[in-house]
Amino acid sequence: GAGVSQSPSNKVTEKGKDVELRCDPISGHTALYWYRQSLGQGLEFLIYFQGNSAPDKSGLPSDRFSAERTGGSVSTLTIQRTQQEDSAVYLCASSLSIWGEGYTFGSGTRLTVV
Amino acid sequence: SQQGEEDPQALSIQEGENATMNCSYKTSINNLQWYRQNSGRGLVHLILIRSNEREKHSGRLRVTLDTSKKSSSLLITASRAADTASYFCATARIQGAQKLVFGQGTRLTINP
Repeated sequence: GAGVSQSPSNKVTEKGKDVELRCDPISGHTALYWYRQSLGQGLEFLIYFQGNSAPDKSGLPSDRFSAERTGGSVSTLTIQRTQQEDSAVYLCASSLSIWGEGYTFGSGTRLTVV
Repeated sequence: SQQGEEDPQALSIQEGENATMNCSYKTSINNLQWYRQNSGRGLVHLILIRSNEREKHSGRLRVTLDTSKKSSSLLITASRAADTASYFCATARIQGAQKLVFGQGTRLTINP
């Protein structure tokens, strides 16, 4: 597509529920990144993919967080048993390669855990 | 650990004035990038400067990079109300995981 698409744009969930966040990157972009941004803060790296592989999962906060990417395209970030501290904007970005090129960001998913 | 730190955290100027934001980082980099974020959602890539470059221009934007001091600055000339946003620097390291590491950002407000 023309840009990076994320869905849903907003999600309100009850504490303890599982949520899935979706990212559809720009066609042909091999690298895909997930970041989290809490209110008024900078971006916290979560995970990145090169193709379908995730060489760096170091940013995932706990084992409740997982992500996958299929067909070198769409990626899903799953948060199990959500907690209130998971509330944040989850941003996805893609780039042509992992070698430090500019990223194109999606508009993010605002997750609120109540 | 946080790689980039922006300074100041917040900046408020009058329309037409120039705005300067600074970024410091800790490790050797391949390149440094600046992004703009409106309304707390998606970031927009503004400019990329490589480690062997010292200055780069794009329209009203001017970026400098001093690798000896591990710092960069973003200058926006002749500011407009539409420039009101948060600005983030991000670094791509030479070694290690190939991901951008973002700073905390500078909140810029342009007053009409």
